[in-house]
Amino acid sequence: AQSVTQLGSHVSVSEGALVLLRCNYSSSVPPYLFWYVQYPNQGLQLLLKYTSAATLVKGINGFEAEFKKSETSFHLTKPSAHMSDAAEYFCAVSAPGTSYDKVIFGPGTSLSVIP
Amino acid sequence: GAGVSQSPSNKVTEKGKDVELRCDPISGHTALYWYRQSLGQGLEFLIYFQGNSAPDKSGLPSDRFSAERTGGSVSTLTIQRTQQEDSAVYLCASSPRWGYNEQFFGPGTRLTVL
Repeated sequence: AQSVTQLGSHVSVSEGALVLLRCNYSSSVPPYLFWYVQYPNQGLQLLLKYTSAATLVKGINGFEAEFKKSETSFHLTKPSAHMSDAAEYFCAVSAPGTSYDKVIFGPGTSLSVIP
Repeated sequence: GAGVSQSPSNKVTEKGKDVELRCDPISGHTALYWYRQSLGQGLEFLIYFQGNSAPDKSGLPSDRFSAERTGGSVSTLTIQRTQQEDSAVYLCASSPRWGYNEQFFGPGTRLTVL
């Protein structure tokens, strides 16, 4: 079965600073990995996904994530934070090609951007 | 095209009453998921429908919770004899195929049990 951990339930960065949100996963098969963002009072929106192609994945709003198999990580980064990036971020994992086909979400990291 | 829609957007009910929450997935999506998100918490998986297969109900927290999906499209989540701890945002998502494709989320239904 798969699982996801996100280090840091809350992260604060200054506007213009680097954003780094951490995600580690466990999976018995090569995983598919996702990052979702949730703005206040809205549903989740896909930021980016890794599906066994390039290990560096670029998403919307300037975010990117790198799949590192040796570290079982899929950390999300953005070079320069913007006020509009303040939101909840969820990492998720699924195990394609298996009977266990649910997507498992991490507990989320709340990002605050300080002016 | 239209995204996933959920109704009502907000529901306030009294303890002990039954409630029904509705989800309209994106047309043609075969997979449908229900999640619960309590205040400040992550997503708790509730139930998953895929095509005509038997649903995965492993996440339903008690037998007061049930869901159905009619005609492979619209889904209804029913909570019987609501309790205060049922207060949460209930999110629905659909996907073109099972598992590894991205999920498209609705805006959620905020349920408050008084």
